[in-house]
Amino acid sequence: AQSVAQPEDQVNVAEGNPLTVKCTYSVSGNPYLFWYVQYPNRGLQFLLKYITGDNLVKGSYGFEAEFNKSQTSFHLKKPSALVSDSALYFCAVRDQVGNFNKFYFGSGTKLNVKP
Amino acid sequence: KAGVTQTPRYLIKTRGQQVTLSCSPISGHRSVSWYQQTPGQGLQFLFEYFSETQRNKGNFPGRFSGRQFSNSRSEMNVSTLELGDSALYLCASSLVVGPEETQYFGPGTRLLVL
Repeated sequence: AQSVAQPEDQVNVAEGNPLTVKCTYSVSGNPYLFWYVQYPNRGLQFLLKYITGDNLVKGSYGFEAEFNKSQTSFHLKKPSALVSDSALYFCAVRDQVGNFNKFYFGSGTKLNVKP
Repeated sequence: KAGVTQTPRYLIKTRGQQVTLSCSPISGHRSVSWYQQTPGQGLQFLFEYFSETQRNKGNFPGRFSGRQFSNSRSEMNVSTLELGDSALYLCASSLVVGPEETQYFGPGTRLLVL
């Protein structure tokens, strides 16, 4: 079965420090991985995705993610956190089911960036 | 391009009533998926429509149903509402182009069942 795990319910980091939000996955075929961010009372916003190619993927708002096949991980990173980055972050994996795709989302990690 | 729009944004209903939520996908997107988000259960997949056909369905009771119109707009209906149906209902659309498929979400409809 396909699945995504976000082992941390919450991550706290000081503004200006680097941040990492962890994600591990389990898929039977090629992994198609995504990160989304959700601000309070808003829908999910697409941040970045890994389909193939370079293991380091760059996305919106200065975020990047590193795909590690041997560790089945796709951690979200940012070199210098901003208070405005405080939000709920979701990792997702897409799996092909027959002729269509299905998305599986992690449980979410709340990022708190303190001034 | 306009993003995914959902109406209404907020809704209050009482137990036993029914509700219909609407989602307009990004222009050109033919796939629409619905999710339920609650603090306890997180994001749970409800169903997906493509070209007016339901292609995939999550583990929700038959009270939850949906449909898609020829212009790709989708509606979701919940009948005989229960307190536990209180949630944020998110709609996502995608332009299905094989490996590049990415879902884009609307702002959601927050449903409160009293």
